[in-house]
Amino acid sequence: GQQLNQSPQSMFIQEGEDVSMNCTSSSIFNTWLWYKQDPGEGPVLLIALYKAGELTSNGRLTAQFGITRKDSFLNISASIPSDVGIYFCAGLQGAQKLVFGQGTRLTINP
Amino acid sequence: GAGVSQTPSNKVTEKGKYVELRCDPISGHTALYWYRQSLGQGPEFLIYFQGTGAADDSGLPNDRFFAVRPEGSVSTLKIQRTERGDSAVYLCASSLTGSGSRTGELFFGEGSRLTVL
Repeated sequence: GQQLNQSPQSMFIQEGEDVSMNCTSSSIFNTWLWYKQDPGEGPVLLIALYKAGELTSNGRLTAQFGITRKDSFLNISASIPSDVGIYFCAGLQGAQKLVFGQGTRLTINP
Repeated sequence: GAGVSQTPSNKVTEKGKYVELRCDPISGHTALYWYRQSLGQGPEFLIYFQGTGAADDSGLPNDRFFAVRPEGSVSTLKIQRTERGDSAVYLCASSLTGSGSRTGELFFGEGSRLTVL
C-alpha cells in the first residue's frame, strides 16, 4: 500500500531551537495534513494543506505542500517544552481516508 | 463530554477470545473512522462510516474484524478469535462532512489499548 516516509524518526533539541521535519511519498496526494500526538492521546490536527506549493502558518508552525504533491515539510520555530510529542504527516486518499507516516518523535531539553 | 469517547481505555484478553470496543463520536459528526496504531507506528486506517453505512472497509485486515454503527452515532468494533498480533491501540475519530468542515480534519479519541496474551 501507499507509504509516507517521515524524517527524521526522532529529534533531540534544546528549548528555543527551531525544528524542521519532512515527509515524502511515492504517490501524489491532493491534501497533506500534519497531526501531533501526545502520550496517551489521539492525534490532533495542526495544519492542513490543500494546494500544491501552498505555505501555511499556525502560530510558530509553518508547513508547505510540495510542488510535486509528493512531499511536505513542517517547521517549528523557537521550540517550547509543550512542543514535545510525535508529529505525523498524513495524505488524504480519496474523500475521507488518511494515510499516515510513521511519525517524528520530538524531545526537548530544557 | 465534548470529545470522542472510547471505551474501554484498556482491555487485556486471552488469545482466541472475542472483544468489543466502543466509540461515541462528537455529537453531530456524521463521519466515523476506526484506525489501529501499533507501537512506534502511525495510525493505520481500518474502516470509515458515513451515517449508518460503512463507506470504506478496505482497511479491515481479515474477516475476524467487523464494525457496526446501527443508529449513525455510536460505533462498535468487534474482533473475533483474537490473536497476539491484534495487540495495538484502536483509535476512533469523527468528523463533519460538507460545508463548514476542513477536509481531512479528524477528531480522535484517546484510544482503546488492546493487549492479547
